[in-house]
Amino acid sequence: DGGITQSPKYLFRKEGQNVTLSCEQNLNHDAMYWYRQDPGQGLRLIYYSQIVNDFQKGDIAEGYSVSREKKESFPLTVTSAQKNPTAFYLCASSIGLGPETQYFGPGTRLLVL
Amino acid sequence: EDQVTQSPEALRLQEGESSSLNCSYTVSGLRGLFWYRQDPGKGPEFLFTLYSAGEEKEKERLKATLTKKESFLHITAPKPEDSATYLCAVYYGGATNKLIFGTGTLLAVQP
Repeated sequence: DGGITQSPKYLFRKEGQNVTLSCEQNLNHDAMYWYRQDPGQGLRLIYYSQIVNDFQKGDIAEGYSVSREKKESFPLTVTSAQKNPTAFYLCASSIGLGPETQYFGPGTRLLVL
Repeated sequence: EDQVTQSPEALRLQEGESSSLNCSYTVSGLRGLFWYRQDPGKGPEFLFTLYSAGEEKEKERLKATLTKKESFLHITAPKPEDSATYLCAVYYGGATNKLIFGTGTLLAVQP
């Protein structure tokens, strides 16, 4: 079955700690995205990547970092500089950039201890 | 500012009671409008993509339509399993290559 997997499902972060969220896809998609979802707000774009070794900042990139070393993988690191990290994080992929359908993973909920 | 507004915020229907959800947008030069369904604690599930005014798409009890300023998601004879949050997103091209999402409509269908 082709799809997008995210792990872990729940993640707890301590003050001053960096944490990394995993995203893997086997859809052979070139483009991958990270969104943050907060109650009462629409999904907001953190970072996106069109191809391996290239990525662009979205609307709320401060306090986050990404890498794209493989086509299938797009991990997101929430750094200690992100002061309000509690949210539901969603990874998505699409065939390419542009008005292409984005398919989402199951999400990771990040909570601060 | 480009915006996507969904209404109503929440909707409660009786099983079998048809209704429509609205997604209005101010983005100029629409290149794509997307509907998703999201269950609590899960990622959005893709439903439809619409690219031009007048286009319609159907899937089971759902039908999506598009005009120049808004889209409707019509739900015919809904069942309790249709209960979910329905998200609308508009593709805004230019330099940013991003989707703009609305805040969603929470639909509850009671048996």
